[in-house]
Amino acid sequence: SQQGEEDPQALSIQEGENATMNCSYKTSINNLQWYRQNSGRGLVHLILIRSNEREKHSGRLRVTLDTSKKSSSLLITASRAADTASYFCATDSGGAQKLVFGQGTRLTINP
Amino acid sequence: KAGVTQTPRYLIKTRGQQVTLSCSPISGHRSVSWYQQTPGQGLQFLFEYFSETQRNKGNFPGRFSGRQFSNSRSEMNVSTLELGDSALYLCASSLVPGLTNEKLFFGSGTQLSVL
Repeated sequence: SQQGEEDPQALSIQEGENATMNCSYKTSINNLQWYRQNSGRGLVHLILIRSNEREKHSGRLRVTLDTSKKSSSLLITASRAADTASYFCATDSGGAQKLVFGQGTRLTINP
Repeated sequence: KAGVTQTPRYLIKTRGQQVTLSCSPISGHRSVSWYQQTPGQGLQFLFEYFSETQRNKGNFPGRFSGRQFSNSRSEMNVSTLELGDSALYLCASSLVPGLTNEKLFFGSGTQLSVL
């Protein structure tokens, strides 16, 4: 079973709007990562947040982590058509020393 | 610096055949992981290799195997192919193994279709 589960499964917004995706996980983690995947291609690492961090920024990306709720969110501000992709959270599954990915959120930015 | 290279990009096989996929990690990266991606199951961890040794393995049948060479290049093999093996197979490399605070660098994948 997947450690992380993204919500929503699909999201469609207008260019310029903000997009928020959520990830919930089941067991304790050391860190959580977010990746982006363009259709049929490999994944690209976006950001890593450690369990003792609550918020992290990278350009137009903002990630939050709430370990008490076992959840994380990824916010993309001022979205662009090029942001159209699937977004995955990945966790270390309670120290299993492997990354476990969620099912992903498919984001579509309409021009 | 070249990225992770996977070959072939596309592959079509029939049931019962076997297939070998290749992955060349980023220069200097010694850890290689393999994932299977399908629409229904998402990304599933297959195995991880470091210094020619398998360090971690996912819940896949013995038909799925892999190996790593001294130059860190890795291959995975699937024998007796089944229709359900149709998937995008992704390879990822990192500097060191098992430390999940390391980000993974992914190749573009091999799209395998089993007919």
